[in-house]
Amino acid sequence: KAGVTQTPRYLIKTRGQQVTLSCSPISGHRSVSWYQQTPGQGLQFLFEYFSETQRNKGNFPGRFSGRQFSNSRSEMNVSTLELGDSALYLCASSLDGQGGTEAFFGQGTRLTVV
Amino acid sequence: GEDVEQSLFLSVREGDSSVINCTYTDSSSTYLYWYKQEPGAGLQLLTYIFSNMDMKQDQRLTVLLNKKDKHLSLRIADTQTGDSAIYFCAERAERDDKIIFGKGTRLHILP
Repeated sequence: KAGVTQTPRYLIKTRGQQVTLSCSPISGHRSVSWYQQTPGQGLQFLFEYFSETQRNKGNFPGRFSGRQFSNSRSEMNVSTLELGDSALYLCASSLDGQGGTEAFFGQGTRLTVV
Repeated sequence: GEDVEQSLFLSVREGDSSVINCTYTDSSSTYLYWYKQEPGAGLQLLTYIFSNMDMKQDQRLTVLLNKKDKHLSLRIADTQTGDSAIYFCAERAERDDKIIFGKGTRLHILP
């Protein structure tokens, strides 16, 4: 069974650009969550999608957005990139996103904004 | 608000037990988790405990929950070099289902 796949693994962008990251969950999983990991702030929740609908949202500005497709694959988009957006972006998939259900993480996309 | 605190570093001799501590603030937490992150990798769920449990044991791992003090700990028995990683404590709040992570404890194994 394939794990959670995030593409690309590494990305370098310049300030002001926009970026799209992709996450393919484990087959059969319908919940996809996105997290931003930085040394200073740790892991912070961005949003969660379930059955193509955003079910939960963290405290990030509107420049951060996402969507989920009918096959459960999810993308997140960051517009007007800032230096502080440099981080490891992790995606987690789970069957239904409920409490006791295990969430499986991808290896992440490391975004560097210069 | 929601907050999860854990110490940033822990050094333990190989073969000893490691105890990683965590405190959280949200009394409505339903599930509490321990994740492990090795260099260059994503997060791996080690174990979780439901909020109405006091203890959970899984092979070398023991999780203790003191709900009154909002304190969670992870004990790793017979610590091995392969246990060297960052360990994240996390809670899931009942009201909004979001998972809130601590900043992680880096476990360093001494020979």
